Amino acid sequence: GAVVSQHPSWVICKSGTSVKIECRSLDFQATTMFWYRQFPKQSLMLMATSNEGSKATYEQGVEKDKFLINHASLTLSTLTVTSAHPEDSSFYICSARAPGLLTDTQYFGPGTRLTVL
Amino acid sequence: AQTVTQSQPEMSVQEAETVTLSCTYDTSESDYYLFWYKQPPSRQMILVIRQEAYKQQNATENRFSVNFQKAAKSFSLKISDSQLGDAAMYFCAYRPLGSEKLVFGKGTKLTVNP
Repeated sequence: GAVVSQHPSWVICKSGTSVKIECRSLDFQATTMFWYRQFPKQSLMLMATSNEGSKATYEQGVEKDKFLINHASLTLSTLTVTSAHPEDSSFYICSARAPGLLTDTQYFGPGTRLTVL
Repeated sequence: AQTVTQSQPEMSVQEAETVTLSCTYDTSESDYYLFWYKQPPSRQMILVIRQEAYKQQNATENRFSVNFQKAAKSFSLKISDSQLGDAAMYFCAYRPLGSEKLVFGKGTKLTVNP
């Protein structure tokens, strides 16, 4: 149980275009999802916390107009990188937390590698 | 601010041997959770073990065990009978009770030598 998927696993896009990444909880309902960014050989940096049916809470320094997060259902959250630039190239990871399922634990997706040309 | 420190950027161990990864944290909270996550080359984060701060007993999951020293704010991970598949980045993480945010350390890269 507690499987989280991400799609796509990797994406290459041109500078100036937008890219959407999906995060799904496959076998549980996730009231809260999290989006992280990870640079090579570095730790995970929390970008935002996404709660179903409400606006995401962004960490300091994260541009909410650039990284649009939508958590429209209990099993799906999306991250849209708008007007992507090469500096947005990174590994993006989502995680999900479920009530009643080891509520103090986050389960992670496999990540999405974004390359902006 | 709460911080998590992993003082060993890299560690290596011989297959079948035991290795201990260090983690210390700084907090003024009394109730919190601690985690070790493994990130293999596939980049998938995998939960290895978790510990509730109010529990004095050290958590154990098969070959993985922790040494939780609350007063010292230390949370080390011991891997026994190391296997080649244990090779990965290991991240220590902290989460205070009442918060949803995980605070990660910078990670320790573990190499397992055959």
